[in-house]
Amino acid sequence: AQSVTQLGSHVSVSEGALVLLRCNYSSSVPPYLFWYVQYPNQGLQLLLKYTTGATLVKGINGFEAEFKKSETSFHLTKPSAHMSDAAEYFCAVSGQNAGGTSYGKLTFGQGTILTVHP
Amino acid sequence: DVKVTQSSRYLVKRTGEKVFLECVQDMDHENMFWYRQDPGLGLRLIYFSYDVKMKEKGDIPEGYSVSREKKERFSLILESASTNQTSMYLCASMAFGRTEAFFGQGTRLTVV
Repeated sequence: AQSVTQLGSHVSVSEGALVLLRCNYSSSVPPYLFWYVQYPNQGLQLLLKYTTGATLVKGINGFEAEFKKSETSFHLTKPSAHMSDAAEYFCAVSGQNAGGTSYGKLTFGQGTILTVHP
Repeated sequence: DVKVTQSSRYLVKRTGEKVFLECVQDMDHENMFWYRQDPGLGLRLIYFSYDVKMKEKGDIPEGYSVSREKKERFSLILESASTNQTSMYLCASMAFGRTEAFFGQGTRLTVV
């Protein structure tokens, strides 16, 4: 069984400030972890993912996230917010099967709406 | 680029109607998924399919069925639409053994 908790349904930052969106997960198998972004009236776009290897992963638009197994966390950060970052962000987890490939099914968190103020 | 196309962006249906939501992907992906998105609940998996004519229930299958007669097409069916099925519906596809899911633009369904 898997679950994802995103802390904070709304986060507001000033332009140029640090963005930190929190995600904690639980998984009974080694997890694959993802952050997706959704702009208004659009589908989801992959920002970044962790599968294996380096625990600090970099994604598009200057975002990065660090997989911390001991804390079961996968927080998303960006050093300097831009107005165009305003969107809803979803953390998701999927499980690995015995062969190391993905089951494919994603379990999502509740989403965090990021607002960026001028 | 992978393209996942949902047939309608907006739909308004009446209670009790049978509703079909269509999704087509152009990358020969084996896995296809239907999610429902509601504010504060994130995305929840309704059904998924890992091959033609194969399907499995997700977390919230009640009131829904699916059909996958061709690899590229995955349909979500609301047998008798109810107002609590008013929601955003998102289709996704994924190649077998890969990790990235590709999403369609979503269908916002309103049941009145």
